[in-house]
Amino acid sequence: KAGVTQTPRYLIKTRGQQVTLSCSPISGHRSVSWYQQTPGQGLQFLFEYFSETQRNKGNFPGRFSGRQFSNSRSEMNVSTLELGDSALYLCASSSGTDNSPLHFGNGTRLTVT
Amino acid sequence: AQSVSQHNHHVILSEAASLELGCNYSYGGTVNLFWYVQYPGQHLQLLLKYFSGDPLVKGIKGFEAEFIKSKFSFNLRKPSVQWSDTAEYFCAVNSPLGGGFKTIFGAGTRLFVKA
Repeated sequence: KAGVTQTPRYLIKTRGQQVTLSCSPISGHRSVSWYQQTPGQGLQFLFEYFSETQRNKGNFPGRFSGRQFSNSRSEMNVSTLELGDSALYLCASSSGTDNSPLHFGNGTRLTVT
Repeated sequence: AQSVSQHNHHVILSEAASLELGCNYSYGGTVNLFWYVQYPGQHLQLLLKYFSGDPLVKGIKGFEAEFIKSKFSFNLRKPSVQWSDTAEYFCAVNSPLGGGFKTIFGAGTRLFVKA
């Protein structure tokens, strides 16, 4: 079974630009969660999608948005990039039931200059 | 609001030493508890999980964790660490929220094992 695939692996953007990150979950998984990982902060929850609906959202500004398609693939968008948005963005998929563990991709490393 | 607290940010041990990483969470309802590990250059992966039943759970590579409900704790242990255990370890709590489930992670503990 193929794992969670995130593209691209690396991105360099300048302040004010926008960026779209992509995530393909494990086949059969209907839940996709996004996290921001920075040194010292650990993993901060962005949002979770299940069957094309956002079920939960973390405490991030509205510049961070996402969506999920009918094939469970998900995209995350960040508009008006700020230097502080530089981080590793992780996508994780699961079956979406209460005790199902998360399966992570390798992440997209975003650098904002 | 839910939160997960890991006691140590950095731990350095010699091979064969015993390991215990602390984890406390704040949530009064039903929770599912996890430890994830991130080896250098690899993606996060599940180490072990607790849902219900025996509060002492065993995971891969000789790791175990004990759930103490009264202390809201889920500490990770290993009797004898190896150099290959060098990694970052994350405690996580999953609870029902908003019709779905939300997994919150601690800040992580970096473990370095000296050969």
